[in-house]
Amino acid sequence: DVKVTQSSRYLVKRTGEKVFLECVQDMDHENMFWYRQDPGLGLRLIYFSYDVKMKEKGDIPEGYSVSREKKERFSLILESASTNQTSMYLCASSLSGPSADTQYFGPGTRLTVL
Amino acid sequence: GENVEQHPSTLSVQEGDSAVIKCTYSDSASNYFPWYKQELGKRPQLIIDIRSNVGEKKDQRIAVTLNKTAKHFSLHITETQPEDSAVYFCAASRGRDDKIIFGKGTRLHILP
Repeated sequence: DVKVTQSSRYLVKRTGEKVFLECVQDMDHENMFWYRQDPGLGLRLIYFSYDVKMKEKGDIPEGYSVSREKKERFSLILESASTNQTSMYLCASSLSGPSADTQYFGPGTRLTVL
Repeated sequence: GENVEQHPSTLSVQEGDSAVIKCTYSDSASNYFPWYKQELGKRPQLIIDIRSNVGEKKDQRIAVTLNKTAKHFSLHITETQPEDSAVYFCAASRGRDDKIIFGKGTRLHILP
């Protein structure tokens, strides 16, 4: 059974702080993704990675960066948190292959920036 | 860019009735169309998917249809039950390590 975990369920930070959100998967998946989920806007892709040290911008990368030093771990970094980054952040992973495959999601981190 | 439109945003159906959620996509190269269900406070989970080489797929009370010419696909839930209440997301992808584009979601309420 695939397990995707995220470092925190709830996080409260102050404006200007550097924030790290960690995601770990235990199924040797090549692909990993970071989304933010806001009411009425669905799931919006921030960044994704299809291999170690590889990263690709998603639809809303501004204000975020990522790190993929190990296959199982994908970190989302908010260099200087702002109030408009208050959101639910979801990590996901999937197998690589000739066609797209199921994405397995983590439980989410609800981040509040004050 | 790629876009997935999903309708309706909210849907209420009587328990036992059917529910239909529709999505359209813009990228004609899309070939993989998954549907995710997210219960309140839980993570999204895949419930069914369809690839472009088939027009319909069924799994018990859930079915998905795909019309590649019109670039739309639909989720059908029959004999709805209270546990079907959730937010449903459609998505589309070109496959092969490509990103998945999600619709904005449909909140389905099953009325007693």
